[in-house]
Amino acid sequence: NAGVTQTPKFQVLKTGQSMTLQCAQDMNHNSMYWYRQDPGMGLRLIYYSASEGTTDKGEVPNGYNVSRLNKREFSLRLESAAPSQTSVYFCASLDRWANVLTFGAGSRLTVL
Amino acid sequence: GQSLEQPSEVTAVEGAIVQINCTYQTSGFYGLSWYQQHDGGAPTFLSYNALDGLEETGRFSSFLSRSDSYGYLLLQELQMKDSASYFCAVRTGGFKTIFGAGTRLFVKA
Repeated sequence: NAGVTQTPKFQVLKTGQSMTLQCAQDMNHNSMYWYRQDPGMGLRLIYYSASEGTTDKGEVPNGYNVSRLNKREFSLRLESAAPSQTSVYFCASLDRWANVLTFGAGSRLTVL
Repeated sequence: GQSLEQPSEVTAVEGAIVQINCTYQTSGFYGLSWYQQHDGGAPTFLSYNALDGLEETGRFSSFLSRSDSYGYLLLQELQMKDSASYFCAVRTGGFKTIFGAGTRLFVKA
């Protein structure tokens, strides 16, 4: 099925460890996004990539890095995880014509 | 700063009509969207307004007034399955899209 695939679905890290969340879309969309969701705080934009070769900071970029590997893939890296980064992370891609974001299933990250 | 304000919770009975409001203050505006999210799931798209007025999609309608920086989502003939969180989102420019904190809708029998 066409859509957005993100891995892993669940991850537990210790403070200071690093990890990369992977995201891939097969809808030929130009723009891709990473959001985090915490209870009562909605979806907060971490980074986005308007098109292949570009990345821009969102509302809460500190502690994260991203790579737009190609048109399909957009990864999110935590270099030194902190408990404050415990959250559910969603990747999304944008259909520019309809202005519709399609989200992946989410990655639940716990930092101890 | 940029902000989107929406009520945190709304409760309604099955079969009723409910309106969820969203006011926004953003540095740019290209359109207002609405997304639905059930517990444990991913957000899914409901509607998009780029211009003033009402957009209708089945039981759901969405309204935008750009001069008032205001929009709402109207849900008619509420069903139990409509119990979910609803988020307004603004595309602020350069394909950047930010979300409100969400409105939790409880539908009672």
